[in-house]
Amino acid sequence: GQSLEQPSEVTAVEGAIVQINCTYQTSGFYGLSWYQQHDGGAPTFLSYNALDGLEETGRFSSFLSRSDSYGYLLLQELQMKDSASYFCAPNYGGATNKLIFGTGTLLAVQP
Amino acid sequence: GAVVSQHPSWVICKSGTSVKIECRSLDFQATTMFWYRQFPKQSLMLMATSNEGSKATYEQGVEKDKFLINHASLTLSTLTVTSAHPEDSSFYICSATSGRGYNEQFFGPGTRLTVL
Repeated sequence: GQSLEQPSEVTAVEGAIVQINCTYQTSGFYGLSWYQQHDGGAPTFLSYNALDGLEETGRFSSFLSRSDSYGYLLLQELQMKDSASYFCAPNYGGATNKLIFGTGTLLAVQP
Repeated sequence: GAVVSQHPSWVICKSGTSVKIECRSLDFQATTMFWYRQFPKQSLMLMATSNEGSKATYEQGVEKDKFLINHASLTLSTLTVTSAHPEDSSFYICSATSGRGYNEQFFGPGTRLTVL
């Protein structure tokens, strides 16, 4: 089977840096995606790691280490609007290109 | 670009009735569409993957006779919840990919189904 574990909740203050970890037990995926979802809204794409290492996209960075079965999302210069749920999701590509979402992390940014 | 719409945004129905939810890609042709359900404060659970003109592939544990998926064109997929019951009440979200580049999934705004 496959499993994806994330911390259920993280709290941080505005301007800070926060790291959301994702550990997984799965194989055969092409890369690891990260999505953000505000309460009641649609998930939106944040970042994707096709290869091991760090990918930087503005205030968001994501890291993948396949040998450690581990990835993380790094959010810098936190803003109140970053309060949302964050999901890691392996992308299985190929003919299906399906995503399997992790347990999700609820980030609360405080003033 | 890459906008996905869903209709309706919310629906309330009586137990035993069927409900159809539409998912449309508005500005691109979607080679593949996906259907998820999400319970409050939980993650998205993939229900099925559908490719235009072929039968949907359902994830383990999802009843294909209860959740009928039709992907009639490259811009439209429908999910029909047949004989809905209160336990089917959930947030249903579709997504679509264009098949180009990384194959990023673009998500619709979701449909909140309440079965009385």
